[in-house]
Amino acid sequence: RKEVEQDPGPFNVPEGATVAFNCTYSNSASQSFFWYRQDCRKEPKLLMSVYSSGNEDGRFTAQLNRASQYISLLIRDSKLSDSATYLCVVGRNNDMRFGAGTRLTVKP
Amino acid sequence: NAGVTQTPKFQVLKTGQSMTLQCAQDMNHEYMSWYRQDPGMGLRLIHYSVGAGITDQGEVPNGYNVSRSTTEDFPLRLLSAAPSQTSVYFCASRRTGYNSPLHFGNGTRLTVT
Repeated sequence: RKEVEQDPGPFNVPEGATVAFNCTYSNSASQSFFWYRQDCRKEPKLLMSVYSSGNEDGRFTAQLNRASQYISLLIRDSKLSDSATYLCVVGRNNDMRFGAGTRLTVKP
Repeated sequence: NAGVTQTPKFQVLKTGQSMTLQCAQDMNHEYMSWYRQDPGMGLRLIHYSVGAGITDQGEVPNGYNVSRSTTEDFPLRLLSAAPSQTSVYFCASRRTGYNSPLHFGNGTRLTVT
């Protein structure tokens, strides 16, 4: 079993839709959690950190559930420019593990 | 600020050849790391360093060497390239501290024939 698992998708949604991704992790000692966005053939870029109390950045909301060992990302009012692969990252000390990513396509 | 700079962007090697992928950062980050990304596998940690003179193995270290003589530079060496090392390689750095995110270079696309 992989340490960090994501549904690979693809998720195909219309503009304006709300879409949610989950990411599960196996190491209960994990300390840090992030969501990254990766466009085709580009480097991953930080979308947002995930805090225990949950956090929001504009149309994006991230949640952490330590008891069930998953993090989530909610995107409201999807834009065409949100089309990308979303990677979850789970860290413990100096070991940062990536999920394989969830592909999102937002269509007009 | 340049951030994290990787060279080259593309490289083709023959089996058995050696080469060095270069990585430099200008953010004074203590932590630097190398990942490889393969389809369906996500990014996998090869080696990392928490400061000059200190390196450690990640998830998939075999076939790769690293050194960290300065804070800024963290080169990755392929000693004898194999087709299984065909991949996209990313260098990343961050400040120490458990909630510091990684900052990535643009990547190197390596093909081994």
